[in-house]
Formats: sequence, structure tokens, C-alpha cells
Amino acid sequence: GESVGLHLPTLSVQEGDNSIINCAYSNSASDYFIWYKQESGKGPQFIIDIRSNMDKRQGQRVTVLLNKTVKHLSLQIAATQPGDSAVYFCAENIGGATNKLIFGTGTLLAVQP
Amino acid sequence: DSGVTQTPKHLITATGQRVTLRCSPRSGDLSVYWYQQSLDQGLQFLIQYYNGEERAKGNILERFSAQQFPDLHSELNLSSLELGDSALYFCASSKDRGTDTQYFGPGTRLTVL
Repeated sequence: GESVGLHLPTLSVQEGDNSIINCAYSNSASDYFIWYKQESGKGPQFIIDIRSNMDKRQGQRVTVLLNKTVKHLSLQIAATQPGDSAVYFCAENIGGATNKLIFGTGTLLAVQP
Repeated sequence: DSGVTQTPKHLITATGQRVTLRCSPRSGDLSVYWYQQSLDQGLQFLIQYYNGEERAKGNILERFSAQQFPDLHSELNLSSLELGDSALYFCASSKDRGTDTQYFGPGTRLTVL
């Protein structure tokens, strides 16, 4: 059959604004969540992670929020810069003996100067 | 730079052929993971090795196989290649087999003609 490319949601923001990227995860047993940033032609780059016993974690300019009740994860980027333009993926880890990650489809963040 | 290296960067081959992708994990990391990123499937987990032993399998075709050597580098072998195997193949590594941050390499872009 014909292959169709994944339709990536796009978030367009002005430089200096705050960005919020959302992600719905699938497995209520997942206990570890990670946000990755992927620039064109590069591999996914670790940004921030959070474990299921927390609902908020802050890094440098980034904050991750976890709502286990509705299986929702968000990434907040403060004072967005042109260098933040990339595809952002959330990933969930269901734990156990393996460390298998299940990735979301990704969100394209476009920062307008 | 994540510290994970992959070779080659690009690979172009014909249908029916066999290729080998190579990955060197970060220093001290015992686990290696392989992921496939295609336009229509997104980032998909293929297989995990921990200290030379297979730990978990994901959506890996029977035509594909992998191994991890005593020096902890890993190879992903793809045989009887089809057009649909064209994709980016990423290797990631982590310290242990449990819930641990995975750091990704730059990927190998495979094109099957």
C-alpha cells in the first residue's frame, strides 16, 4: 500500500515567548518519562526526565509536568530561542528488566525571530 | 556530542542485499539499544543488549539481527533488504539495563534502491 508520512503537529512561537509542548502517553504502568529534542539530521538529544513519583521537575529553561491521572506529559521551554527549533519527542518507559522506550509521534517547534 | 558513535553515516544499497551497521556505546555503558526511525512509523524500538546478552526485543523483523561484542560495541545486521527498510537507524546506550537515561548516536541513514 501507499506509505504516508507521519503528520507532525507544529507549534510556532515567537522568539522570547514560552513554549508548551504536550504529549499523551499510552501505558498507565509506565514509570519513567523522557523528553528528547531532535534537530534535522541528528540523533535524539536528552533534555529532561521525570519519574512517576514526581509531578514536576525543572531544568535549565525547561520544566516537565506529569499528570498520571490523565496520562499527560508536558514540556515547558522558557524564553524560547531560535536554537530551540527542532522536533520534540516524549518517551515512556514501562520499567521492569528492560529499558525499552516507547516514543510519541513528536512535535515540531518552529521559533520565529 | 552524546559519546555514542555510529558508522557509517550513510549507506546506499540495492534490494536483496545485506548490510551491517556499527555502534560504539558511551564509555562505561553496558546496554545498547537499536531504534528505527521511518517517515511512516516514527521511532521504533528494535532490540536491546546488555553486557553481551539480548535483553529485549521489539518490532524487529526476522531478516534483522544484532549482537553485542565483548568490547561492548554492537552491530545490527539487515539482510534481504527491501525498499521499506529505508530509514534512519539509531543506536543508544545506557549504564545499566534498568530505568536509565538512554543517549543516542547520530544515526545511520540507510537508503535501499
